[in-house]
Amino acid sequence: SQTIHQWPATLVQPVGSPLSLECTVEGTSNPNLYWYRQAAGRGLQLLFYSVGIGQISSEVPQNLSASRPQDRQFILSSKKLLLSDSGFYLCAWSDDSLVEPQHFGDGTRLSIL
Amino acid sequence: DQQVKQNSPSLSVQEGRISILNCDYTNSMFDYFLWYKKYPAEGPTFLISISSIKDKNEDGRFTVFLNKSAKHLSLHIVPSQPGDSAVYFCAASDSGTYKYIFGTGTRLKVLA
Repeated sequence: SQTIHQWPATLVQPVGSPLSLECTVEGTSNPNLYWYRQAAGRGLQLLFYSVGIGQISSEVPQNLSASRPQDRQFILSSKKLLLSDSGFYLCAWSDDSLVEPQHFGDGTRLSIL
Repeated sequence: DQQVKQNSPSLSVQEGRISILNCDYTNSMFDYFLWYKKYPAEGPTFLISISSIKDKNEDGRFTVFLNKSAKHLSLHIVPSQPGDSAVYFCAASDSGTYKYIFGTGTRLKVLA
């Protein structure tokens, strides 16, 4: 069966520090991969999605970036965090098909001080 | 522009009664719709989906209804149980893309 791992579960970072969140999927190949953010009291905002290695689509211009160095690995990064980057970050995958549900990791709670 | 809207931020229902969660969308290109359930500090869990060629899909206690002309979908939970207490998100996708647009969620509280 397929599983998705996301880490760390919680992270506290100072303003201006870098960020790297990692997500890996097991049990499937060539998945579509997604990064979302849920700000306090808000819905899920799509940040990036990827349909293949090295293929990244950005939905929201900001100081975050994403990379997909391997088929089942998706990384969310920032060179310099802002206070507004605080939130709950979720990685998700779906099968390489246009009509399939997404499956989410357990998320990372990021607090910027 | 919010393409997927859940206008009720919260809903309370007695155990054993029906819970009805609503969702409206604006993009007529959406043709695949999903409901997710989310507990605090966890990722959303997929519940049920429906494609635009259908107007109803059932899975146990969960039924999703789609009204394409009104651009409206709803999730019915019958009977509601305390364990159903969570935040419910609806999502929509244009199957010509790989993107899913989520609503802001409705917090359901099932009272024992």
